[in-house]
Amino acid sequence: LQLQESGPGLVKPSETLSVTCSVSGVSISGSSYYWGWIRQPPGKGLEWIGSISDSGSTYNNPSLKSRLTISVDTSRNQFSLRLSSVTAADTAVYYCATHIVVEIVATEDWFDPWGQGTLVTVSS
Amino acid sequence: QSVLTQPPSVSQAPGQRVTISCSGSSSNIGNNAVNWYRQLPGKAPKLLIYSNGLLASGVSHRFSGSKSGTSASLAISGLQSEDEADYYCATWDDSLTGPVFGGGTRLTVL
Repeated sequence: LQLQESGPGLVKPSETLSVTCSVSGVSISGSSYYWGWIRQPPGKGLEWIGSISDSGSTYNNPSLKSRLTISVDTSRNQFSLRLSSVTAADTAVYYCATHIVVEIVATEDWFDPWGQGTLVTVSS
Repeated sequence: QSVLTQPPSVSQAPGQRVTISCSGSSSNIGNNAVNWYRQLPGKAPKLLIYSNGLLASGVSHRFSGSKSGTSASLAISGLQSEDEADYYCATWDDSLTGPVFGGGTRLTVL
């Protein structure tokens, strides 16, 4: 199972950032996984953005929810992230990852594996 | 400000044992399992430990994880220079309805 992000590299402030993750080695369709996005601003820690299932069911970070769209294209075995009205604070390495979520009595979840990440810079 | 609290840095000599702490609350660590990730410089994070103490595939038994109440810890024994990395704890947060990460701990092997 491998994941590979592709993104624009540079986005202007107020525009929409779009990043796509291509999955190989397993079919998104019918998988029991979620497919997640995590970002890391330069020199800072990790922030979960959101996750989506093959059926389109999503978990989104409330702090980004109003600007965030996560979608899945099972025919291409890809999932995508769109973040609108970006500012310099959205400059980060964007990672995609397989998100295993197990809900029994409590919730257990982890990300494995991760893509290599793609740096998106917001600047005019 | 991260939801989970980790020390920014720890250091220890080669061959020794080091622990990294991760503190949370009843809505996250107190109720859900903790995972640990390792991020080597310039690389993507990799899963190290999941479900509090289970080793991810290929991970050395020098690594171990534990959880008690609203805190968790990662222990690394027999420190090696290649263990120098950033380590992140993470868990599900019931209030957020999603995963949260600690701020990360940079391990230096002296």
